[in-house]
Parts: sequence; C-alpha cells; structure tokens
Amino acid sequence: DAGVIQSPRHEVTEMGQEVTLRCKPISGHNSLFWYRQTMMRGLELLIYFNNNVPIDDSGMPEDRFSAKMPNASFSTLKIQPSEPRDSAVYFCASIQTGGPSVGEAFFGQGTRLTVV
Amino acid sequence: GDSVTQMEGPVTLSEEAFLTINCTYTATGYPSLFWYVQYPGEGLQLLLKATKADDKGSNKGFEATYRKETTSFHLEKGSVQVSDSAVYFCALSDQPNAGKSTFGDGTTLTVKP
Repeated sequence: DAGVIQSPRHEVTEMGQEVTLRCKPISGHNSLFWYRQTMMRGLELLIYFNNNVPIDDSGMPEDRFSAKMPNASFSTLKIQPSEPRDSAVYFCASIQTGGPSVGEAFFGQGTRLTVV
Repeated sequence: GDSVTQMEGPVTLSEEAFLTINCTYTATGYPSLFWYVQYPGEGLQLLLKATKADDKGSNKGFEATYRKETTSFHLEKGSVQVSDSAVYFCALSDQPNAGKSTFGDGTTLTVKP
C-alpha cells in the first residue's frame, strides 16, 4: 500500500477563497483523522471519522471548516472562506481498529496551507 | 476523557548523551501506548509501541516501558545522535473509543555534534 495520500502538498491561496484538502486513507483502515499543526498550537485534532461517520468534530475551529467522508477511500477538509490564521500544515491519518497494527496511526505527508 | 502529558521542551543534548522524555497518561480503558517521531517537513511516523502493562517497546535504540502503576510511558535512549533531532509525540489509543488516538503536545529534541 502507498500509505496515506494527501493532496495537494502545498497550497497558497488568497484570503476569502475556498480551499479543499484531500485524503486517501490506507485501504482497510476504518478510522480517519484530520489534524492541524502550527508552531503556536502544536498538533490539534480537528475531526475524526469511524466507518465514514463523523464521531467527534469538537476540534473544528468554526463553521468555516467542514469535513466529509463520502466513502471509505476518500475524505475532504474544506475551508470556506479561508483566512490568514488558517495557515498551517494539515495532516490526515488513518487507523485500523483490528489486527496487528491496531491503534497505530499512519500519517500522510501533510498539506502546507498558506493563506495570504 | 483520555489525555497525554509530555515533558515540555525543547530539549537540547550533545551527541552521545542519555535521553529521557517523560510521558504520563489518563485513560478510561486499557489503552495501547505509542511514541511517534516527526522529522522536519514530514508527517508523524511510529517509533515504538506497547499494548499491555509491563511491555517494552523498542526501535532504533529507543525504548519505553508501559507502566500501569504509574500511568507512564517514558522514552529513553542511551546515546543520542544528531540524526535523532526531531519532534517526539507520546500517544494512546483506547479501544473502547473505536480507535481514537490522543496525542501529547510533542517534545522537540535537538542534538548538537
């Protein structure tokens, strides 16, 4: 398996624009997480899905952020409208809840978002 | 709820020094415990793990022992190298929560030659 795949790797956008980040989890993993990482706040959990259902979105900063998981192999994180304070690295991670790697989080390479 | 507390950084050591990064946790069930490492410009990757009390996880010279009595999972390495410079995250995964992972705040390690 190629691991967790995120796209794009880098995104530069203007304030007010819509941004969509994409994630393909590892096949067979049934939990998916979106994290945001900044120097000031460290690693923050935004939302997590189990079997494509959002379980905990308490970390989503405000209504400008939304996430979907239409099927087991794809998830999106959307910011609309974007603001400069959204600049961060966004990570997607997937976990298998059974088997020898149970509980181990596999992270993508991240999307570095810059809002100017 | 579940939580992980890591020793605050940053930590700066000379090459070949002994490393300890403290980690304690709070969990409602019997979690699995993990250490992840993040090298510059990359995502987090698993360093080692332990799934039950008294288990010792080890990898690349790093070790950590699952201590249920003290709810701790401290990371140690006997002799650090410059290439160990990274951010280290302690984490737990609590089965009753269907695979949710809880991470500590991370500790930045810099090793100087």
